[in-house]
Amino acid sequence: QKEVEQNSGPLSVPEGAIASLNCTYSDRGSQSFFWYRQYSGKSPELIMFIYSNGDKEDGRFTAQLNKASQYVSLLIRDSQPSDSATYLCAVVPQSSGTYKYIFGTGTRLKVLA
Amino acid sequence: DVKVTQSSRYLVKRTGEKVFLECVQDMDHENMFWYRQDPGLGLRLIYFSYDVKMKEKGDIPEGYSVSREKKERFSLILESASTNQTSMYLCASSLRGRAFFGQGTRLTVV
Repeated sequence: QKEVEQNSGPLSVPEGAIASLNCTYSDRGSQSFFWYRQYSGKSPELIMFIYSNGDKEDGRFTAQLNKASQYVSLLIRDSQPSDSATYLCAVVPQSSGTYKYIFGTGTRLKVLA
Repeated sequence: DVKVTQSSRYLVKRTGEKVFLECVQDMDHENMFWYRQDPGLGLRLIYFSYDVKMKEKGDIPEGYSVSREKKERFSLILESASTNQTSMYLCASSLRGRAFFGQGTRLTVV
C-alpha cells in the first residue's frame, strides 16, 4: 500500500463548479497535511495546510481532514480555468523526526470553460 | 516572499560526468530538501538536511550525495551521471512544516 494515495485523474469539472480532490494516507499517527498546486512545467506551490480534524477555509479553497478515516480533501469552489493544474497531497508521517514529507503522485484537475 | 533559487533551469550532461546542482534559499530555513520528479512516480525524496553539515538519506539516495556548508545553500551531487538520472530535480526549504520549492532543474543525461 502506498503511503499517500491520490487518484491521478484527470478530474474534469465545468467552470463555476466545486472540484473535490481526495487523498488517503497510511500512517495513522500523521500530524501535518499539505496541498500543493503544480502547473505544467512549474514547481509545486503551497496552497493549504491543515493540522487538526475538521475544515480549514482560505478563499475559494477548503481543506478537510478526517483522521479517523485517514483522508484529507481539498475543495475548490467556483472553479476557474486557471485552477487547471496537478494537485499534490503531502503528509508528514508520525515516524518522521523532522518534516520529511511524503507526497502523493497528484491529481490532475481540468476546469472546462 | 520566500525565494528558493536553483542554479540552472536546464542541464544536459554526458554519462559518467560529475554533476552539481545548487540551491540557495534566502529565508534562513533550517530544513532543505532535494527531490526528483518523474511521470507516474511523483516526488521522491533524495536527501534532506536539517542543519548545516547535517544530512539524512531520503528514499532514493543511491548515486547521489549532498553538501550543506552554509545554511542557505544545499547542493546535490551526481557522482557519475547515468541515463536513469534524467529527471526534474526540485529543491525545497521549509519553515514550520511549509515547504517552498525552487523552479526546478530539468537534467538530461546523454
